Amino acid sequence: SQELEQSPQSLIVQEGKNLTINCTSSKTLYGLYWYKQKYGEGLIFLMMLQKGGEEKSHEKITAKLDEKKQQSSLHITASQPSHAGIYLCGADRPGNQFYFGTGTSLTVIP
Amino acid sequence: ETGVTQSPTHLIKTRGQQVTLRCSSQSGHNTVSWYQQALGQGPQFIFQYYREEENGRGNFPPRFSGLQFPNYSSELNVNALELDDSALYLCASSLEATVNTEAFFGQGTRLTVV
Repeated sequence: SQELEQSPQSLIVQEGKNLTINCTSSKTLYGLYWYKQKYGEGLIFLMMLQKGGEEKSHEKITAKLDEKKQQSSLHITASQPSHAGIYLCGADRPGNQFYFGTGTSLTVIP
Repeated sequence: ETGVTQSPTHLIKTRGQQVTLRCSSQSGHNTVSWYQQALGQGPQFIFQYYREEENGRGNFPPRFSGLQFPNYSSELNVNALELDDSALYLCASSLEATVNTEAFFGQGTRLTVV
């Protein structure tokens, strides 16, 4: 089983629509990262959330961390084709390990 | 551009062979982590190197090994290649081997085992 489950697995939206991606951890979260990956390429760091209730925004992307629920959400407002890609959440784990979520593939239709 | 470079970008190997992948970390970063990403899946943590020592390992067999050099660049070696080793291999460098530290990723090496 995956330690970090993302939902939905894939998403197709019309340009201009809002969308939310969720990441749920089966273990205590010490920090939560969001990355974006263009197909077959490296990962681009988006945001890091460290404390429960923390919320960060960058351009039209907002991420929140609910530590009690061991969950984070990524919200994109007024989506654009440039937002298309795979969104991955990640978390530090004991023993200097790092786990990624299952990924959410986003397609934005112009 | 993250400053993390990986080589080669693509590689085709035969089952049973050995392969070495290389990663140059971002300037000033002393920690390198390696990940395996199979098609359609999230990256899986292989191991992390901090100041030339392995200091964290995921659930990968011993035939996956690594090195980190004094300049903090790194190699990932895979022996006795299997078809399931076909994947995108990503390396990431960070300033320190601590939690809540941003990691910068390279573009990856696409390994195909035939």
